[in-house]
Amino acid sequence: GAVVSQHPSWVICKSGTSVKIECRSLDFQATTMFWYRQFPKQSLMLMATSNEGSKATYEQGVEKDKFLINHASLTLSTLTVTSAHPEDSSFYICSAREDLAGADEQYFGPGTRLTVT
Amino acid sequence: AQTVTQSQPEMSVQEAETVTLSCTYDTSESNYYLFWYKQPPSRQMILVIRQEAYKQQNATENRFSVNFQKAAKSFSLKISDSQLGDTAMYFCAFLNTNAGKSTFGDGTTLTVKP
Repeated sequence: GAVVSQHPSWVICKSGTSVKIECRSLDFQATTMFWYRQFPKQSLMLMATSNEGSKATYEQGVEKDKFLINHASLTLSTLTVTSAHPEDSSFYICSAREDLAGADEQYFGPGTRLTVT
Repeated sequence: AQTVTQSQPEMSVQEAETVTLSCTYDTSESNYYLFWYKQPPSRQMILVIRQEAYKQQNATENRFSVNFQKAAKSFSLKISDSQLGDTAMYFCAFLNTNAGKSTFGDGTTLTVKP
């Protein structure tokens, strides 16, 4: 099956610094990638939809200047948490949908655990 | 907007027995997909089974099967011959093919007991 990687798998940063998380589709092209946030024992909350070559579409309540998303190629999307604060500590998951007509399955990355101290 | 409801926050089952996880959804769309995902302690999301709304036949995947009741907007997951490795959080998800994004339920934590 298709594989999506995320890097780093975990990161600790100090309050006020920025952190970049990479999401790559390893064996397929993905026009569309999704970024989710998940708190312990809770569901996935969609933050934004990332489209290659265009601006990301953010969900209501998600600060686009705080969570910068760049989808520079068909295999790479990045999420940058700017000026991170302890309340940004969470588990971030990306997923990608294969660039095929009628494709409906999302492939998930393993997630990145962010801790802001 | 679509909503997905999983009414069982936690469930447990004895090894080798059968368990059913419930999921209901609400939508006005006619074209959509439904999924069950498994999230074990590693937190990697794993696709368990999928169902196309236009198909009347219930999907099956080895020990996993669904009971898809389109009129009732119900999509339950049955796990047969439960194994210890089935212990995980299970999410029901709805994909609006027009909008292209999924809506997830709150999840059901399943524990398989030896």
